[in-house]
Amino acid sequence: EAAVTQSPRNKVAVTGGKVTLSCNQTNNHNNMYWYRQDTGHGLRLIHYSYGAGSTEKGDIPDGYKASRPSQENFSLILELATPSQTSVYFCASGLGANTGQLYFGEGSKLTVL
Amino acid sequence: AQSVTQPDARVTVSEGASLQLRCKYSYSGTPYLFWYVQYQRQGLQLLLKYYSGDPVVQGVNGFEAEFSKSDSSFHLRKASVHWSDSAVYFCAASPAYTGGADRLTFGKGTQLIIQP
Repeated sequence: EAAVTQSPRNKVAVTGGKVTLSCNQTNNHNNMYWYRQDTGHGLRLIHYSYGAGSTEKGDIPDGYKASRPSQENFSLILELATPSQTSVYFCASGLGANTGQLYFGEGSKLTVL
Repeated sequence: AQSVTQPDARVTVSEGASLQLRCKYSYSGTPYLFWYVQYQRQGLQLLLKYYSGDPVVQGVNGFEAEFSKSDSSFHLRKASVHWSDSAVYFCAASPAYTGGADRLTFGKGTQLIIQP
């Protein structure tokens, strides 16, 4: 069974603080993705990666960094968190090659006060 | 700009009735098309996908979708819904060639409510 695990599942942060959301996949997929989900916007792509050492900007990368130190792990980093980054964040992995089949984690709810 | 539109934020259907969730896309060329489902407090799961060929594609749990190039649509259907189908449904599209990464554009989602 494909598995994508996110941590933490819930996080409360203060404005200006640093937040790191972690994602681990056991699917051996090359591609990994970070999305945020907001009411009225659906899912929007923040960053993605083709493999270890690679990170690419998605559609809304401003205010976020990403890190892919290994095939299994992909982190999303908010260096200076702002209230507008309050959201639910989803990590996903996929084979790529336009299969369109992504395997999602259960989400991380971030609240920035 | 490419976009996916789901015009209905919420749809309410009686258990056992038929269902159609609407999706319209705006892309240059014909994109790959997908429907994902999100059950409460879970990640998204793929229901079905369309690449080319037969415009009607079958998915899991009795769902199917029909692609229409003339109408730029990819509507999701089910003949008889069950209470367990209550969820949020997302339509998504991807350009046919993206160099290996799946750059999916998602619609805003449609919440499906099943009435007993």
